[in-house]
Amino acid sequence: DAGVTQSPTHLIKTRGQQVTLRCSPKSGHDTVSWYQQALGQGPQFIFQYYEEEERQRGNFPDRFSGHQFPNYSSELNVNALLLGDSALYLCASSLRGSYPWMETQYFGPGTRLLVL
Amino acid sequence: SQKIEQNSEALNIQEGKTATLTCNYTNYSPAYLQWYRQDPGRGPVFLLLIRENEKEKRKERLKVTFDTTLKQSLFHITASQPADSATYLCALGGGGSYIPTFGRGTSLIVHP
Repeated sequence: DAGVTQSPTHLIKTRGQQVTLRCSPKSGHDTVSWYQQALGQGPQFIFQYYEEEERQRGNFPDRFSGHQFPNYSSELNVNALLLGDSALYLCASSLRGSYPWMETQYFGPGTRLLVL
Repeated sequence: SQKIEQNSEALNIQEGKTATLTCNYTNYSPAYLQWYRQDPGRGPVFLLLIRENEKEKRKERLKVTFDTTLKQSLFHITASQPADSATYLCALGGGGSYIPTFGRGTSLIVHP
């Protein structure tokens, strides 16, 4: 049973560039949430996708956008990268559009983004 | 604004002892509280979920309590092992907030 997978594992970008991160949810899951985790901090909720729509959004600017595909996989796009965007980006999957705090979330290994 | 506090200092204990980690929160009345384990460079792993009407929950060597009056959750690992060494995160949700809020985590180090 495949767990949550994310790609790439590491990425280096420069300020102003754009980045796309990818996530495949755990088999059988249809809901994907994205988090940003800065070094030494807890994960911060970016947004959640269910039925190919953004359902909930945290306190992140419009530079952060996403997409969910019919096969439930998801992308996180970040435009006009800032130094402060350097972090571990985590994807978590769950079922039926459940609120992230109500059900078990399965996290992927994350993508480590470094912005220079 | 909502605030979650977890002890920023690492907790060092001897193998076989019980580890107790604390999660305090303010300006919030969550309906759910979760605990996760996170190893360096890895994603968090879900451990336990407890609801506001549940005082205590157990799973194998793990026990979580949720005191809505004190606004505190305690996470216990009994008979701790070096393999339990990791960072433990608490996360709150519900109670009028649709966004989950994570603490910054507490590092647990179990010495053989």
